[in-house]
Amino acid sequence: DAGITQSPRYKITETGRQVTLMCHQTWSHSYMFWYRQDLGHGLRLIYYSAAADITDKGEVPDGYVVSRSKTENFPLTLESATRSQTSVYFCASSELGTAREQYFGPGTRLTVT
Amino acid sequence: GDSVTQMEGPVTLSEEAFLTINCTYTATGYPSLFWYVQYPGEGLQLLLKATKADDKGSNKGFEATYRKETTSFHLEKGSVQVSDSAVYFCALKVTGGGNKLTFGTGTQLKVEL
Repeated sequence: DAGITQSPRYKITETGRQVTLMCHQTWSHSYMFWYRQDLGHGLRLIYYSAAADITDKGEVPDGYVVSRSKTENFPLTLESATRSQTSVYFCASSELGTAREQYFGPGTRLTVT
Repeated sequence: GDSVTQMEGPVTLSEEAFLTINCTYTATGYPSLFWYVQYPGEGLQLLLKATKADDKGSNKGFEATYRKETTSFHLEKGSVQVSDSAVYFCALKVTGGGNKLTFGTGTQLKVEL
């Protein structure tokens, strides 16, 4: 199906475990983004990517790793999960341009116990 | 740096009431302005946008006008419905900003019968 998908939709993991959240888009958008959404903070940018093999830090990158070997995929890895990383994670994509909107995935709800 | 300020929520209205959600911004360049909506359990989706001063964005009965002189982009709807209950985010994007959106913290709207 066309669009932007995230998997898994829900994940429970333990402190210290590695977790990878997947994001896939079918539009061949050059830009992709990872956000976390927490009460009282709105959306905060974790990492973004302008193209395959080009990534950059956002506002809250600590504890996260990204890669982008293919244009359509942008996985986010928590190398050693902490309780403070319990959140809802959203992936988004867009083309370059000030007027271009970002398209958001449905989100992954991650709980770290 | 760039920033967006939205009115605090939640905003609770009766059906058919008039809605205004205030949004003001600070930007180093000439931004495009966006309103996104997030329905419960879903990702964000674009509601409307405006790319230059005095432009009016509109969609689904919602409107917002880009006011450069007051650096504002207030969201309005003449008659809200229960189905409009959601979280609304104001956002901006500037040229040369890495194609990133800067979001406000969101305003939750609850519409009651």
